[in-house]
Amino acid sequence: RKEVEQDPGPFNVPEGATVAFNCTYSNSASQSFFWYRQDCRKEPKLLMSVYSSGNEDGRFTAQLNRASQYISLLIRDSKLSDSATYLCVVLRSSASKIIFGSGTRLSIRP
Amino acid sequence: DTGVSQDPRHKITKRGQNVTFRCDPISEHNRLYWYRQTLGQGPEFLTYFQNEAQLEKSRLLSDRFSAERPKGSFSTLEIQRTEQGDSAMYLCASSAKAGESNTGELFFGEGSRLTVL
Repeated sequence: RKEVEQDPGPFNVPEGATVAFNCTYSNSASQSFFWYRQDCRKEPKLLMSVYSSGNEDGRFTAQLNRASQYISLLIRDSKLSDSATYLCVVLRSSASKIIFGSGTRLSIRP
Repeated sequence: DTGVSQDPRHKITKRGQNVTFRCDPISEHNRLYWYRQTLGQGPEFLTYFQNEAQLEKSRLLSDRFSAERPKGSFSTLEIQRTEQGDSAMYLCASSAKAGESNTGELFFGEGSRLTVL
């Protein structure tokens, strides 16, 4: 079983829609969680960290459920520019490696 | 440009040849990571360094792969006796200034694309 699992998609939604991605992680000792965004043929870049209490950054909301070992990302009022692959990322501890999920591909259509 | 740089950006080689990639991290970062990414997959962890010490290496890596960071600055990733299955994008990333804990924010280079014929 992979340490970080995501639905690969693709998600194909109309502009303005709300879309949600889920991610599960297997190691209960995992400490920190993130969402990265990767555009086609580009390197991944940090989108947002995920905090236990949930956090919001504009149209993006991230949630963490430690009991279920589950992370989510919600995108409201989606834009064409949101089309990308969204990577769920887990850090077990400050001294450990950073693990990426396989990514969820999102395509926003006009 | 003070970001992470990787060289070469593209490498085409014949099976059985050795290849070496170089990564220059952001200068004040003390952690350096190597990942491999194939089409439709997320970055797969290969190894990481804190300063010059190699702290972890993926069990998925065969002995044909070796990485070094001799002075705690730039790093090299060498693949010996390349196989077609080694074709991938090799990504380097750096993070964490000295004295700071690892926040999980990685700054990636643009990658080195390897094609093994």
